[in-house]
Amino acid sequence: SYELTQPPSVSVSPGQTVSITCSGDKLGDRYACWYQQKPGQSPVLVIYQDTKRPSGIPERFSGSNSGNTATLTISGTQAMDEADYYCQAWDSSADVVFGGGTKLTVL
Amino acid sequence: EVQLVESGGGLVQPGGSLRLSCAASGFTFSNYWMSWVRQAPGKGLEWVANIRQDGSEKFYVDSVKGRFTISRDNAMNSLYLQMNSLRAEDTALYYCARRLLHTYGLDVWGQGTTVTVSS
Repeated sequence: SYELTQPPSVSVSPGQTVSITCSGDKLGDRYACWYQQKPGQSPVLVIYQDTKRPSGIPERFSGSNSGNTATLTISGTQAMDEADYYCQAWDSSADVVFGGGTKLTVL
Repeated sequence: EVQLVESGGGLVQPGGSLRLSCAASGFTFSNYWMSWVRQAPGKGLEWVANIRQDGSEKFYVDSVKGRFTISRDNAMNSLYLQMNSLRAEDTALYYCARRLLHTYGLDVWGQGTTVTVSS
């Protein structure tokens, strides 16, 4: 079965830029999405179709997907961005996988 | 307001059954693919199942195939997950979610309903 690998944790200082990676075999051939989940809350879609932001998501969130790696980048990170982040890959409606999640700490 | 509200969770013994429901409001339910996603305590997200707008296509993660059935009633704006032969490893918070139109991504999520499988 298809697998996605994320680093368990990443830390960043306020105002800095942080990237969270998601690796999978030929991931660039699939559609990648990213979700933010804060403690006790439901996930929120922050990036879809590799690079697109849903309405209401700040511009500091951006995404890319090429080769075997999708990347979520947060520019000018704020304390409110501290959360768990999950990547998700869609090959079709029949083939959907989440990564294991990355805990982002804003120090 | 676009909203999804899950219900039907609870405590069930191994081997038992449970039916989850998800009530949709604030959008044209019949236009959207819908999904179930679960999260075991302290763990990550796991996709469970997808269903096409008219219910004609259904897909499942391998671990629930043959045990879970996703369905929908567009007249009632409702999504369901029938769970049979439940196992301890099915213990999780179950979310229903709406898929974006014409692309992939889950843009609306419910608050989840908790399923605990234990004797």
